[in-house]
Amino acid sequence: GAGVSQSPSNKVTEKGKDVELRCDPISGHTALYWYRQRLGQGLEFLIYFQGNSAPDKSGLPSDRFSAERTGESVSTLTIQRTQQEDSAVYLCASSRITPGQGGVGAFFGQGTRLTVV
Amino acid sequence: RKEVEQDPGPFNVPEGATVAFNCTYSNSASQSFFWYRQDCRKEPKLLMSVYSSGNEDGRFTAQLNRASQYISLLIRDSKLSDSATYLCVVANQAGTALIFGKGTTLSVSS
Repeated sequence: GAGVSQSPSNKVTEKGKDVELRCDPISGHTALYWYRQRLGQGLEFLIYFQGNSAPDKSGLPSDRFSAERTGESVSTLTIQRTQQEDSAVYLCASSRITPGQGGVGAFFGQGTRLTVV
Repeated sequence: RKEVEQDPGPFNVPEGATVAFNCTYSNSASQSFFWYRQDCRKEPKLLMSVYSSGNEDGRFTAQLNRASQYISLLIRDSKLSDSATYLCVVANQAGTALIFGKGTTLSVSS
């Protein structure tokens, strides 16, 4: 498809288990973002990738969270030893260029709804 | 001061009304600004970029005041389908990540 694709769409996991979330950005988009949105809350920035540059990890809430992206392709967000407070929708977005370079917005996938029980 | 602040609302207006949302941001070096809309339990969708000279897209007009670090969105002739949460978005100081406000909820009724 032409849009950002995320999988799985829903994930229920037991507390303490690890989970891996996947994002396929729009083809040709060099920038990729991960956000978290808890129920009824705003979007919380997690991590940003731009091409082969070092990612901006400033939003990751703890060392249980990590993300990878190879070049301009798929990204995975991994949460280790999940906790109930990790329950949220995890949203991935991509854009053609860095947003500070020219007013180009980002396009979101439909998100992965993570529930930790 | 929060990076991006919005009045959460809700704004309840009748069809056909004109409604304005405001947003302030803390980083004076920000260069890129956007409005997104988010429907309930859906992902945010880009509504429009905001340019220094102001810009219009149909019934929607966005304005930027750099001196006051203030962004606005005006919706004219509101439709039922405009009911959503409107998110003000600013690129962070490094010009990398997009920082989202918590959103303003609009409800348009017939």
